[in-house]
Amino acid sequence: DTGVSQNPRHKITKRGQNVTFRCDPISEHNRLYWYRQTLGQGPEFLTYFQNEAQLEKSRLLSDRFSAERPKGSFSTLEIQRTEQGDSAMYLCASSVRGTAAGTGELFFGEGSRLTVL
Amino acid sequence: GENVEQHPSTLSVQEGDSAVIKCTYSDSASNYFPWYKQELGKGPQLIIDIRSNVGEKKDQRIAVTLNKTAKHFSLHITETQPEDSAVYFCAASGGLTGGGNKLTFGTGTQLKVEL
Repeated sequence: DTGVSQNPRHKITKRGQNVTFRCDPISEHNRLYWYRQTLGQGPEFLTYFQNEAQLEKSRLLSDRFSAERPKGSFSTLEIQRTEQGDSAMYLCASSVRGTAAGTGELFFGEGSRLTVL
Repeated sequence: GENVEQHPSTLSVQEGDSAVIKCTYSDSASNYFPWYKQELGKGPQLIIDIRSNVGEKKDQRIAVTLNKTAKHFSLHITETQPEDSAVYFCAASGGLTGGGNKLTFGTGTQLKVEL
């Protein structure tokens, strides 16, 4: 399967613990995105990378959140000192860079569901 | 920033009927409008998209229309089938705050196709 892969699929943790999610994008895609989705809502943009450069971060991404894409391939999203409000589905997506004709398609993974007790 | 509103939040149709979902956006500079289908426990999957230089696009039973003046776009599904049951999201990007493929999503429509 050559789609976007996310691990772990589910994570249950206690408040105050740190968690890390991994995303492996489609191999030829140079853009990688993290979104957060809560129940009954659409995905909300968190951050995106072009190759290894983090080009934009949402104000939703507090200081407890950090994302990396060290070699321009896989990415990790770490949440430190988790809070109950962090409980959500964390979605990763990848795409090729958009052209002058417009934006390219985003391909989403199946997400990592975080439950903070 | 961009704001996308989506209606209705739930939609129930009989198999074979048509379904229409409507979205409005706020940033007149947005130029890309995709629609995603999300099944339970899965990530969103693109089903159709439209760019601001066209007013309508069709793909088999699915069509999308765009009215740039009114800043709204709609998804039309004809001859609905039970497998069309899912949550559908509209999105917009490319505007003043939407560079780099950053999509702003609507709140979703739960479509149920009844036998």
